Amino acid sequence: GAGVSQSPSNKVTEKGKDVELRCDPISGHTALYWYRQSLGQGLEFLIYFQGNSAPDKSGLPSDRFSAERTGGSVSTLTIQRTQQEDSAVYLCASRINYEQYFGPGTRLTVT
Amino acid sequence: AQKVTQAQTEISVVEKEDVTLDCVYETRDTTYYLFWYKQPPSGELVFLIRRNSFDEQNEISGRYSWNFQKSTSSFNFTITASQVVDSAVYFCALGNYNTDKLIFGTGTRLQVFP
Repeated sequence: GAGVSQSPSNKVTEKGKDVELRCDPISGHTALYWYRQSLGQGLEFLIYFQGNSAPDKSGLPSDRFSAERTGGSVSTLTIQRTQQEDSAVYLCASRINYEQYFGPGTRLTVT
Repeated sequence: AQKVTQAQTEISVVEKEDVTLDCVYETRDTTYYLFWYKQPPSGELVFLIRRNSFDEQNEISGRYSWNFQKSTSSFNFTITASQVVDSAVYFCALGNYNTDKLIFGTGTRLQVFP
């Protein structure tokens, strides 16, 4: 079956612009996660969705970051007024049986 | 606080050598999960193994084996007879039983030379 997919694979944006990153989880996986991988910070948790429960937003670095999950499936991570420090690879994962499977990531470059 | 330490930043070996990647974790939870992921040059994180805190049995999968020791809070990963295709960054991660968000180590870059 298909794995986790993310789009776009690469995004270059100007400082101050908003961006939207999309994640399609593996069908049947109820939990969805966003992580960020950057040179300075390594791999860090951002946000977690589980079923109909309120998302765990404890990892979001600022209020410029938000995420939605529609219909318990597709998720969109939005970064408003992007800053250069937002440049990173944004990874999405979906989970089954306590095992998280990751997508290929979106490489975001803020110029 | 929860923390994962991978003290080895980079390891270089020659093909067919055995290599062990170290992972030490800290947690106050009594129930937790430990993971290893592989990140090849293509960039995608590939799931390798999940281990529950209440199961200390070691595991072997082909050339891969894992040694979990709660007494030393370690979850080490050994590759036997390494191959060039094993070249990648390997991450150890700790998962909380309730929240399930992963805390990653900083990764160990393994280079296997022919």
